[in-house]
Amino acid sequence: SQQGEEDPQALSIQEGENATMNCSYKTSINNLQWYRQNSGRGLVHLILIRSNEREKHSGRLRVTLDTSKKSSSLLITASRAADTASYFCATDGRDTGRRALTFGSGTRLQVQP
Amino acid sequence: NAGVTQTPKFRVLKTGQSMTLLCAQDMNHEYMYWYRQDPGMGLRLIHYSVGEGTTAKGEVPDGYNVSRLKKQNFLLGLESAAPSQTSVYFCASSYPRVSGANVLTFGAGSRLTVL
Repeated sequence: SQQGEEDPQALSIQEGENATMNCSYKTSINNLQWYRQNSGRGLVHLILIRSNEREKHSGRLRVTLDTSKKSSSLLITASRAADTASYFCATDGRDTGRRALTFGSGTRLQVQP
Repeated sequence: NAGVTQTPKFRVLKTGQSMTLLCAQDMNHEYMYWYRQDPGMGLRLIHYSVGEGTTAKGEVPDGYNVSRLKKQNFLLGLESAAPSQTSVYFCASSYPRVSGANVLTFGAGSRLTVL
């Protein structure tokens, strides 16, 4: 079963606008990660937030984590056409003894130039 | 560094045929993984390995076998391919940190079609 579920499934915005994607998960975690996938390519790690952190920044990325609600959000500020991709959250799966990641179904982001 | 390399990139099989997907990493990573990605379903873990000579089942292992005879290679085998195994397969590897963070490096994917 999917540990993480992203919302919305698809998002279309104009260049320069901010994009917010949400992720919900079901069980306890040590950390949560966000990955990006360009069309036809593999996933690339973006950012990791630990369970004892509430917010983390990396360049134009801002991630928040609310462990009480089992949810996370990824904010991309001042979006660019090159940000067009699918974004996935991933959690360290308790089923695999934290040795593997469980991915959500992803949010497809389209940034219109 | 090449990172994670998957071969082949594309393959078409007939139902019942067998094949092997090869994953190679040159980062000396301990852990390796095989995921499949289907439209609208994200990535699902098939099998994984935490070291040379070890393998373990993931969420969707049925119909697949794996082997990790060398640390740098992780093979995914389909003994008798079925149309339900039509998918894009991703290999990934990682070196788990003392902190517990496990960041994956992915290959470019292998697109398999079973007719």
